[in-house]
Amino acid sequence: AQTVTQSQPEMSVQEAETVTLSCTYDTSESDYYLFWYKQPPSRQMILVIRQEAYKQQNATENRFSVNFQKAAKSFSLKISDSQLGDAAMYFCAYRSTTGTASKLTFGTGTRLQVTL
Amino acid sequence: NAGVTQTPKFRVLKTGQSMTLLCAQDMNHEYMYWYRQDPGMGLRLIHYSVGEGTTAKGEVPDGYNVSRLKKQNFLLGLESAAPSQTSVYFCASSGGRVGPYNEQFFGPGTRLTVL
Repeated sequence: AQTVTQSQPEMSVQEAETVTLSCTYDTSESDYYLFWYKQPPSRQMILVIRQEAYKQQNATENRFSVNFQKAAKSFSLKISDSQLGDAAMYFCAYRSTTGTASKLTFGTGTRLQVTL
Repeated sequence: NAGVTQTPKFRVLKTGQSMTLLCAQDMNHEYMYWYRQDPGMGLRLIHYSVGEGTTAKGEVPDGYNVSRLKKQNFLLGLESAAPSQTSVYFCASSGGRVGPYNEQFFGPGTRLTVL
């Protein structure tokens, strides 16, 4: 079974600065998908960014980018020019490409605070 | 287009009571999921369904039952609630296609407290 580990329960960043959230995972599969979800105080889960394991190029979405290190099984999220609205819980998630149901395995989350 | 909706948003139960959480999606998605979220635990899959009339166990299925009688609805039942089932419950759905763009869309969550 796959596992996802987020070793930073809480992080803090100043507005306009850059912060990196860490995620590692364990799998024996060679092809899979990785995701970062944001959960603001409203509780709504919002997909931030996704990465296909067979693509070496790191995914980017505006101020959000990832550092995907397949050999190290690492998938960190970098938030540039942090804004107050970025304050939220961030979850890393893994999805296999095989089997049915497209199930997600989540990490335990990192709570990001953004300060003025 | 409401996406994924959950009913109710909040509920307080006494130990031993039963209840059903309703999830509805209007995106014609094949797959639906129930998760629970506990502090420090992330989201854990309870049950899921890959189509109307089908259900399967996830990571933490004990104490819960589900039904998918209609494609758009996925019900989560607690027959005899226990304090350990105090949690926030999320429903999600996805289209069932292969690929990373087959993302899961989440409902707003239900906060359940069992006293």
